[in-house]
Amino acid sequence: DVKVTQSSRYLVKRTGEKVFLECVQDMDHENMFWYRQDPGLGLRLIYFSYDVKMKEKGDIPEGYSVSREKKERFSLILESASTNQTSMYLCASGYNQPQHFGDGTRLSIL
Amino acid sequence: QKEVEQNSGPLSVPEGAIASLNCTYSDRGSQSFFWYRQYSGKSPELIMFIYSNGDKEDGRFTAQLNKASQYVSLLIRDSQPSDSATYLCAVRGGSQGNLIFGKGTKLSVKP
Repeated sequence: DVKVTQSSRYLVKRTGEKVFLECVQDMDHENMFWYRQDPGLGLRLIYFSYDVKMKEKGDIPEGYSVSREKKERFSLILESASTNQTSMYLCASGYNQPQHFGDGTRLSIL
Repeated sequence: QKEVEQNSGPLSVPEGAIASLNCTYSDRGSQSFFWYRQYSGKSPELIMFIYSNGDKEDGRFTAQLNKASQYVSLLIRDSQPSDSATYLCAVRGGSQGNLIFGKGTKLSVKP
């Protein structure tokens, strides 16, 4: 069974903290994606990666960075968390488009 | 700005009826179209994709694409209460060919 595993289901952090969200997939997919989902705004792409050490900005990359040191792992980093980054974060993987999503991390920034 | 539009609903249909979910998109050059289902509190799951004009059937689901009208739809035959979810339409577009998601249509199937 395909699995995309996100490290935390719920996370609470303080403004200004550096936050790491981890994602691991077991399907050997080249492409991995980070989205955030907010009510009324839908799913928005933050960053994606099509290969190890490769990354591309999505629609809303400001305030975020990513790391892909191994094919199966894609990390999202909030450099200095702010309250407007409170959201549901979804990682996905696929051969081309996002096929499989993780369970999501609900992140609250206080 | 490339856009994908969906009626937010809720769309309510009785059990056993056909549910019709619609999506329009702004980028005439779009080539690939996807439908995801998202249950409340869960992540999206890919259920259908379509690349060519016409219909594509998979079990109770049929995706329909009309590129001239920039319109894609999802039909669910013999709707079941378990089909109650939000359905997201996504279109491959953007400067790097990324998926652009609509905001979703909430479907409610009444027993």
